[in-house]
Amino acid sequence: GENVEQHPSTLSVQEGDSAVIKCTYSDSASNYFPWYKQELGKGPQLIIDIRSNVGEKKDQRIAVTLNKTAKHFSLHITETQPEDSAVYFCAADPLLYGGSQGNLIFGKGTKLSVKP
Amino acid sequence: EAGVTQFPSHSVIEKGQTVTLRCDPISGHDNLYWYRRVMGKEIKFLLHFVKESKQDESGMPNNRFLAERTGGTYSTLKVQPAELEDSGVYFCASSPRNTGELFFGEGSRLTVL
Repeated sequence: GENVEQHPSTLSVQEGDSAVIKCTYSDSASNYFPWYKQELGKGPQLIIDIRSNVGEKKDQRIAVTLNKTAKHFSLHITETQPEDSAVYFCAADPLLYGGSQGNLIFGKGTKLSVKP
Repeated sequence: EAGVTQFPSHSVIEKGQTVTLRCDPISGHDNLYWYRRVMGKEIKFLLHFVKESKQDESGMPNNRFLAERTGGTYSTLKVQPAELEDSGVYFCASSPRNTGELFFGEGSRLTVL
C-alpha cells in the first residue's frame, strides 16, 4: 500500500524567510496530494492541493510542486509570518480515479516555528 | 455555515471502560470519515461513510471499535473495551463529494489510563 514520508519533522525559520517541507510517496497510482495545516487546538485545514496532471500550483505565499517521476512533492512558503507557525501534514490519495474516496495517507507532520 | 463538530473534546477513561465519540458533519455532506492520530505519528484513516453506509472500514484497528451513522447524519465511534494503545486524537472529517477535500473537526482527545 501507499506510504508517505515527510521531512523535516521540525523546522524553525526567521520571519520573512522561506520554508520548504518535502514528502515522498511510494504508490505511483496516487494522483492527489493535499497539504493540511493544523494550528494548536484545531483540526487540520486544507491549505493547498495538487493533482497529478499539474507540476506546480501557487496560492499567494504558498506553492506546491510535484515530481511524479521521482514520487515526491514539496510545500514552499515564502515570506513566512508568525501566524504560519503550525504543524503541516502532507498526504497522498491512492484512489483518485474520477473521484477521490478520501482515504488519505498522511505523513507524520512538520512542526514549523516562525520566529519574529 | 457551521463546521464539523466533535464531542467530547477530551475524554479520560480507565482501561476496560467504554467511550463513545460523536461527530456532526457539515450539513449536506454525504461523506464522513474517521481518522486517528497517535502521539507523534501520522494521521491514520479509520473508516469512511457515504450517507449511512460504510464505504471503507479497512483502517479500523480491531473489533473493539464500532462506528455508526444512523440516518446518514451524525456519526458515533465507540471503543469497547478501551486499551492503553487506543489513546490519541480522533478526528472526524466530512466532504460533500468525492474530490479529496476533507473538512476536519477539532478532534476528540482520548486518554486511556
